[in-house]
Amino acid sequence: QVQLQESGPGLVKASQTLSLTCSVSGGSVASATDHWSWIRQPAGKGLEWVGRIHASGSTYYNPSLKSRVTISVDTSRNQFSLRLTSVTATDTAVYYCARGRVVFDPWGQGTLVTVSS
Amino acid sequence: QSDLTQPASVSGSPGQSITISCTGLRSDSIGYNFVSWYQHHPGKAPKVIISDVSNRPSGVSNRFSGSKSGNTASLTISGLQADDEADYYCSSYAGTSIFVLFGGGTKVTVL
Repeated sequence: QVQLQESGPGLVKASQTLSLTCSVSGGSVASATDHWSWIRQPAGKGLEWVGRIHASGSTYYNPSLKSRVTISVDTSRNQFSLRLTSVTATDTAVYYCARGRVVFDPWGQGTLVTVSS
Repeated sequence: QSDLTQPASVSGSPGQSITISCTGLRSDSIGYNFVSWYQHHPGKAPKVIISDVSNRPSGVSNRFSGSKSGNTASLTISGLQADDEADYYCSSYAGTSIFVLFGGGTKVTVL
């Protein structure tokens, strides 16, 4: 079955860029029928959809983050990535990658990213 | 504050039924029939248990059921079990300007 695993630095300095990668196994990011999403959860708060990408390169972002977010896909490595620029403490969260456009299944285990001052 | 409002906590005894509500604060936040529910045991990957308001994915217990009325969706867990103790999140497609909203989550405690 499809499995996803997030990776990337757990600590990012304020004003810098957060970069995470999601490795997909058991499935292909090149699939024409699948979208691939990033979702985050600040400590003690609910989930927030960050954005998604399709293998065609089409991307859709949360309007509240759109000016700072870029999601890209690397079909040769079967991965997709998240870049979030100019981070602040409010970007500290567990970041999840997931397959899906509206229904997310499956999800990765999540990775905690802390923004330090 | 989330655009989808859920109670912070719900509790019940083993064998009982509980219902978690998910109310859209905006007229467009839950108007589509693309409401999903996720079960999240801390430290694990969230798992979809209901999609498209009331569809139960393969492998999900029939003790979980979903419904929607107006701008409120609901998740019912019947025959409550210890393993149901987790956080539950609703989500909804909210149109091409907003895309996807999540609720703030509900902690279910099995007494």
